[in-house]
Amino acid sequence: EDQVTQSPEALRLQEGESSSLNCSYTVSGLRGLFWYRQDPGKGPEFLFTLYSAGEEKEKERLKATLTKKESFLHITAPKPEDSATYLCAVIGGAQKLVFGQGTRLTINP
Amino acid sequence: EAQVTQNPRYLITVTGKKLTVTCSQNMNHEYMSWYRQDPGLGLRQIYYSMNVEVTDKGDVPEGYKVSRKEKRNFPLILESPSPNQTSLYFCASSLSSGVTQYFGPGTRLTVL
Repeated sequence: EDQVTQSPEALRLQEGESSSLNCSYTVSGLRGLFWYRQDPGKGPEFLFTLYSAGEEKEKERLKATLTKKESFLHITAPKPEDSATYLCAVIGGAQKLVFGQGTRLTINP
Repeated sequence: EAQVTQNPRYLITVTGKKLTVTCSQNMNHEYMSWYRQDPGLGLRQIYYSMNVEVTDKGDVPEGYKVSRKEKRNFPLILESPSPNQTSLYFCASSLSSGVTQYFGPGTRLTVL
């Protein structure tokens, strides 16, 4: 069964303090790993798709990386507006999107 | 604007009163799916559809029905809602299975 584990559950940073969120996964035949951002009461907003180990993608202050067992979402010099829950999900051979529990990120000004 | 829309956004109802939550996408996507999100349990798939007239159960299908008569629409039907179906519901769509899914804004359902 495909599984996704995210850590930490919650992270509080000061504005400008860079850090990384972790997503560990076990999946049969990875077809894609996805990062989403979710604000309270709203739908997940797509950020990145990674397909193979070694791949990296960047968008503004965010950078996602992928290895064979985990993915990291690096946040560089975050701002308060980066506060949100970040969700990691995978699709494997079963072609079903499986989500982790998310990391709740708070950036204090 | 490419988007997934859901209606209603908020709904309070009583046990046993049938309801339908609509979902529509304007991206000509073949794949559509419904999820529920509960604290501590994350996002779980209810039903999905690979194309028109093709639907299948996800992880938590009990108490729900779906239909896919048109490519753009994928309604979620609760024929006899119960309090344990109180949740935040999301519809999502993608070009096909196995690729990036785009989510709607959510429907917050409360069953009393």
